[in-house]
Amino acid sequence: KQEVTQIPAALSVPEGENLVLNCSFTDSAIYNLQWFRQDPGKGLTSLLLIQSSQREQTSGRLNASLDKSSGRSTLYIAASQPGDSATYLCAVQYSGAGSYQLTFGKGTKLSVIP
Amino acid sequence: ETGVTQSPTHLIKTRGQQVTLRCSSQSGHNTVSWYQQALGQGPQFIFQYYREEENGRGNFPPRFSGLQFPNYSSELNVNALELDDSALYLCASSRTGLAKETQYFGPGTRLLVL
Repeated sequence: KQEVTQIPAALSVPEGENLVLNCSFTDSAIYNLQWFRQDPGKGLTSLLLIQSSQREQTSGRLNASLDKSSGRSTLYIAASQPGDSATYLCAVQYSGAGSYQLTFGKGTKLSVIP
Repeated sequence: ETGVTQSPTHLIKTRGQQVTLRCSSQSGHNTVSWYQQALGQGPQFIFQYYREEENGRGNFPPRFSGLQFPNYSSELNVNALELDDSALYLCASSRTGLAKETQYFGPGTRLLVL
């Protein structure tokens, strides 16, 4: 059974700081890994998708890496801003129960202090 | 291009009742997945529909059922509601059911069971 763990559960940083969020998964037979952002009480916004054959993806101030063999991914946020405050969820997609389902971690709640 | 929409946004039911949640997939998408997100947890996969057929199911009892219509919109039905069914229900659509496709999430329906 695929399990996804995110560390830390919560993080508070001053504005402008660079930060790293961590994600680990137990079964390396994944198709891809996605990072999502969730604002309180809202749906999920996809930030980055890394295919299993890729090592990293970048979008603006965000950079996500994937080490499939060790079952780890990191999301690097440069020059953090108060608007980055949200919960960040990591999810892996694998073939289970007949479909390509996403298995999520519990998320890291990020607070960026002005 | 219209994104994924869900209705209603909020719902209050009592234990034992039945509920129907609705999802309109993004234009051009034929696959819909449903997820349950309890407070403080990551979303859990309920099931997926591809071209009107159930295409995989997570660890949820049969009282969770669904439909997909010819226009690829979808319904999630929950019978005999229990207190633990209180959660945010998220719908996600993708262009196909393939692993390489990004899943786009709707804003969710918040269900409270009293």
